[in-house]
Order: sequence, then structure tokens, then C-alpha cells
Amino acid sequence: QKEVEQNSGPLSVPEGAIASLNCTYSDRVSQSFFWYRQYSGKSPELIMSIYSNGDKEDGRFTAQLNKASQYVSLLIRDSQPSDSATYLCAVNIIKAAGNKLTFGGGTRVLVKP
Amino acid sequence: DARVTQTPRHKVTEMGQEVTMRCQPILGHNTVFWYRQTMMQGLELLAYFRNRAPLDDSGMPKDRFSAEMPDATLATLKIQPSEPRDSAVYFCASGLSQGAFNEKLFFGSGTQLSVL
Repeated sequence: QKEVEQNSGPLSVPEGAIASLNCTYSDRVSQSFFWYRQYSGKSPELIMSIYSNGDKEDGRFTAQLNKASQYVSLLIRDSQPSDSATYLCAVNIIKAAGNKLTFGGGTRVLVKP
Repeated sequence: DARVTQTPRHKVTEMGQEVTMRCQPILGHNTVFWYRQTMMQGLELLAYFRNRAPLDDSGMPKDRFSAEMPDATLATLKIQPSEPRDSAVYFCASGLSQGAFNEKLFFGSGTQLSVL
């Protein structure tokens, strides 16, 4: 089992609709969770961080965390063609040697006009 | 505008040659991560440092890869000898770690490595 898992997609979403991305993780004691966006040929950029159970909203983005279910999600409201990218879930995995930020494989999102 | 600087942006080399990639983290950040990204494997963690000390390099092929941080402004990733399977994009990322948890990472532009 991978430490961080995501559906690879592509997730096709009509412009203006809500895109819903999911991520599960294996380490029960993880405390820090992040969503990165990566455009083709570019480096990942941080768009959201979440540390507590519940929802966290930032503009059109909402991150949701459920530690009991080991599940984190990202909602993109009013999706725009410029949101077309790969979205990477990252989890701080606790290790004896030191905590490390581990990424899922990413979900590719396509927003169609 | 603070950013992570990676050099070179592109590198084409022949199998067996040594490759050195450099990274300048954001001033004040105390963690540096090296990742490799391929279509098949996604983002794989190779090594990371906190306060210049190597914490985990278990993701790195020890026989050919080495990572060092000679000072707070420079991290290096070296491959010797390089092989075609090393072809990938190599990202450096830095962040500020406080206590037990790693905080947000900021990525450099990456080094696109092609080993022929």
C-alpha cells in the first residue's frame, strides 16, 4: 500500500462546476497535509495546507480533513480552464529518522469551457 | 521575491558521466528536500536535510547518488556514474520546519536531466 494515494484521473469538469479531488494516507499520526498544483512542465506550487479536522476555505478552494478516516480532499468551486493542472496531495509522514513530506501520484484535472 | 534557485535547468549527458545539480534554498529556510519526478513514479523523495544535517536518504540509490549541504545556501545532488534510467526532472524544495513538523515547501524550477 502506498503511503499517499490519489486517483490519477483525468477528472473532467465543465467550466463553472465543482471539482472534487480525494486523497487517502496510511500514517495514522500524520499532522500536516498539503495540496500542490502543478502545471505541465512546471514545478509544484502550494495552494492549501490543513492541520485540523474539518474544512478550510481559501478563495475558490476548500480543503477537507478527516483524520479518523485518513482522508483529505480538495474542492475547487467555479472551476476555470486555468485550473487545468495536476493536483498533488502531500502528507507529512512520521518516521524515526525524521518527518518527511510524501506526495501522492497526483490527479490530473481538465476543465472544459 | 524569495525563491528556490536550481541549476542547471537542463542537462544532457552520456551514460557514465558525472552529473552535479545545485540548489540555493530560500534564505532562512532550514529544510531542503530533493525529489525526482517521472511519469511512471511521480514525485519520489530522494533525500532531505534539516539544519544542514542529512535526515533521510533512504530513497536514493546509494551506490551512485550522493547529496550534501556544504553550507546553508547550497545543496548539491550528485550522480556518478549516470545511467539512462536516471533521466527525470529533479526538484529541490526548501521550507521552514518548526518542532516535529515540516511546514510548507517551496519548489525550485527543477533540473531536466537526460542521460543518453
